[in-house]
Amino acid sequence: QQPVQSPQAVILREGEDAVINCSSSKALYSVHWYRQKHGEAPVFLMILLKGGEQKGHDKISASFNEKKQQSSLYLTASQLSYSGTYFCGTESRRYNFNKFYFGSGTKLNVKP
Amino acid sequence: DTGVSQNPRHKITKRGQNVTFRCDPISEHNRLYWYRQTLGQGPEFLTYFQNEAQLEKSRLLSDRFSAERPKGSFSTLEIQRTEQGDSAMYLCASSGVGGDYGYTFGSGTRLTVV
Repeated sequence: QQPVQSPQAVILREGEDAVINCSSSKALYSVHWYRQKHGEAPVFLMILLKGGEQKGHDKISASFNEKKQQSSLYLTASQLSYSGTYFCGTESRRYNFNKFYFGSGTKLNVKP
Repeated sequence: DTGVSQNPRHKITKRGQNVTFRCDPISEHNRLYWYRQTLGQGPEFLTYFQNEAQLEKSRLLSDRFSAERPKGSFSTLEIQRTEQGDSAMYLCASSGVGGDYGYTFGSGTRLTVV
């Protein structure tokens, strides 16, 4: 039931764009996105609750395709500060926390 | 508010010893979660509290693990008779009520069992 993230790792130059995908074999109620820098706690980026919902702030946005049970995170004009490991977390049923699973992460490295 | 606080940051213990970790959530958050994270993996759910009630516990969680949240404030996670396989980062998170809230994680306690 753990969602599958792709790619596993990405190397970018500053200013380039990236897409990280998160796919589940189960129907989804919500998708969370987090970023974790080395040795630090995961930081909440956004939650998507409805199929087809797109959210974003600054140059980071995400979409949720409920039918395909997929979500994608879009990083535009990447900055050095975007480096870290990105995790999606998926919830199949609201408030069923035993069923909240994180993917294994996508490591993003932005170089000058 | 200073966010979610966890203590200690690091713990090295000998196999067979008991350890206890503490988590202080954001004061207005009534939901508290414990997760475990190993290298290269995403966080794995351990248990969940709403106020002082422990409402969910992972079926994969050994009975050597126990958690409490007295009075719905801070929480403790105890591991008895530690094993080398318990070595991991233990993360605490809290969240508010409602469907649009993500989790605020603490910096974690890194446990090393030798």
